[in-house]
Formats: sequence, C-alpha cells, structure tokens
Amino acid sequence: GIQVEQSPPDLILQEGANSTLRCNFSDSVNNLQWFHQNPWGQLINLFYIPSGTKQNGRLSATTVATERYSLLYISSSQTTDSGVYFCAVVGGTYKYIFGTGTRLKVLA
Amino acid sequence: GAVVSQHPSWVICKSGTSVKIECRSLDFQATTMFWYRQFPKQSLMLMATSNEGSKATYEQGVEKDKFLINHASLTLSTLTVTSAHPEDSSFYICSASLDGQSGANVLTFGAGSRLTVL
Repeated sequence: GIQVEQSPPDLILQEGANSTLRCNFSDSVNNLQWFHQNPWGQLINLFYIPSGTKQNGRLSATTVATERYSLLYISSSQTTDSGVYFCAVVGGTYKYIFGTGTRLKVLA
Repeated sequence: GAVVSQHPSWVICKSGTSVKIECRSLDFQATTMFWYRQFPKQSLMLMATSNEGSKATYEQGVEKDKFLINHASLTLSTLTVTSAHPEDSSFYICSASLDGQSGANVLTFGAGSRLTVL
C-alpha cells in the first residue's frame, strides 16, 4: 500500500516564525487532505488539496502530484497552532491513509 | 458545513465489559463512515469501513468479533468494543466522507472517544 512520510517529526517555533511541513507519498494519489489535531484530539480539516495551491489566512498548501509530495506553510505562527499536523492520502482505493505526523509546538 | 458528532468523549470501563461508541453525521447522509484508532503519540490507523446496510470491511489484523460495527442508517454508525481489555485502551475516532465539488471525497472527523479499560 501507499506509504506516507512526513517531516520533520517534531518542530519547535517561536511565536511569529514561519514554517514548512512536508508530506511525501510513495504512489500516485487521487485525494489529499491536511489536518490539524489539537491537544484535545479533535482533527480539523485544513485543506483538501490533491493538486495545486490553496491559501487560507496564515496557512497555505501546495501539492505537486507528479513529484509525490505536498507542503503545508504556516506563517506568523501562534501558540494556538500547536498540535499535530497530519496529511492523509487516497490512492487506488477509497480509503484515506494517514502520514506519520509533525508535532508542532509554538512558544510564546 | 459537514458535522460529525461522536460520543461518548470519554469512557472508563472495567475489563470484560463492552462499550459502544456512536458516530452521527448531523447535516448530511453518509453511506460510508470510517473508524480509526490512535495510540498516544502515533498516527491514525484505519480499523474498518462502515457501510450503510451491509457488513463492515475490516483492515488486516483488526478482530471483527472484538470490534463490532453497525451502520444502521445513513446518519449513524456504532462501534462496540466487546469484552474490553486494558490493551484496547485507545483513542477511537470516526469519520465520514462528504462528496464535494467534482465528486471530491473530503473527510470530516468526529471529536473522538477516549477509552480507558481498567
């Protein structure tokens, strides 16, 4: 099955800093989503982005499907951005496979 | 927007008892729901796909007799952990897909249920 690797696994930032999170996948995908899991466990959908670029406020994402990776950009980070960021992909089946996650901590 | 409700949020039970977790799509119909399990500081692992009106499809290694899934209606799927043991303690999360524009399969998650088996 598809392997989904995320980097870095852990990231500590000072408030106001920018960051880039990466998601690599081992095969072509039909769907890709980025999620933020807050400290209480709730998964929030950030982007549905099988290809191209999208922006939503301080967050933006780019997926280059032909090269099998996606990037999530966080600008001017805030303490509320802390949590775990997951990418999840759908390949030949209808099932979403989750990546390994990036654990982000933003310091005040 | 699409909302998925899951409860209970927390449950503590004694070893050997059964626990039922409910997952509801509040403002859309979900013919397919997914159940995930997450251990501390790990990623989400798909346990099974719940199909309305038919049997669930379990992932390899998931005991279907221990984790009973019922999808009785287009808005409700339930996961029952039978004869729970401490090793079943975990965070269980359900999700449903909403077909968006161009048939996009967008996942929306419930808030999760944290199970502790004593």
